[in-house]
Amino acid sequence: QSGLTQPASVSGSPGQPITVSCNGTSTDVGGYNVVSWYQQHSGKAPKLLIYEVTKRPSGISDRFSGSKSGSTASLIISGLQAEDEADYYCCSYAGGSLYLFGSGTKVTVL
Amino acid sequence: EVQLLQSGGGVIQPGGSLRLSCEAFGFRFRDYAMSWVRQAPGRGLEWVAALRATGDLAYYADSVKGRFTISRDNFRNTLDLEMTGLRVDDTAVYYCVRVPCTSPSCYTGGFGFWGQGTLVSVSS
Repeated sequence: QSGLTQPASVSGSPGQPITVSCNGTSTDVGGYNVVSWYQQHSGKAPKLLIYEVTKRPSGISDRFSGSKSGSTASLIISGLQAEDEADYYCCSYAGGSLYLFGSGTKVTVL
Repeated sequence: EVQLLQSGGGVIQPGGSLRLSCEAFGFRFRDYAMSWVRQAPGRGLEWVAALRATGDLAYYADSVKGRFTISRDNFRNTLDLEMTGLRVDDTAVYYCVRVPCTSPSCYTGGFGFWGQGTLVSVSS
């Protein structure tokens, strides 16, 4: 059960778009449209941003969007804001009622 | 309002046992599968275990299989995680999480509700 691979860090200036990638395999990200993304500020519980690859829960800004191509999922933050500085994690269903999380990406607003 | 209130945790020696609990409020607990997710200090999230809404089928990550047991009481609206044979690398904040389906084999939604987290520290 290896985790999903994310870049350790991504940075951008306010107002710029950034993309966080999440690399898996055909048995997890590539095999199911059950990819979700979470934002975690220091010392807090994770917060759901995106589910089922592209869907946003109510109350989540439309600056956050998701996509998937093959075994790689992506989180796009358009119009980066200071409050977006946090850790971001992807998660994929991996079959057999098991789930895998990504290694996490620290987003820094320059 | 959905709330997951956790209790338990603390400092324990290697080889010891500990029980975490999570009490659910604001939704029909017996309609949802539940899960535990942990986060070691300074590290990423790790899915640990999940349990079907009926409580009759459980699933575990390889790292805890045979040592941890997830259970629930649908009358008291509580979810437990019994941890035995604890190791130093089990040190983490443990989160109780609601799965958006009756089964952990869930093709819709995401982990939308999390408990506040509880720290388990395994150290001699």
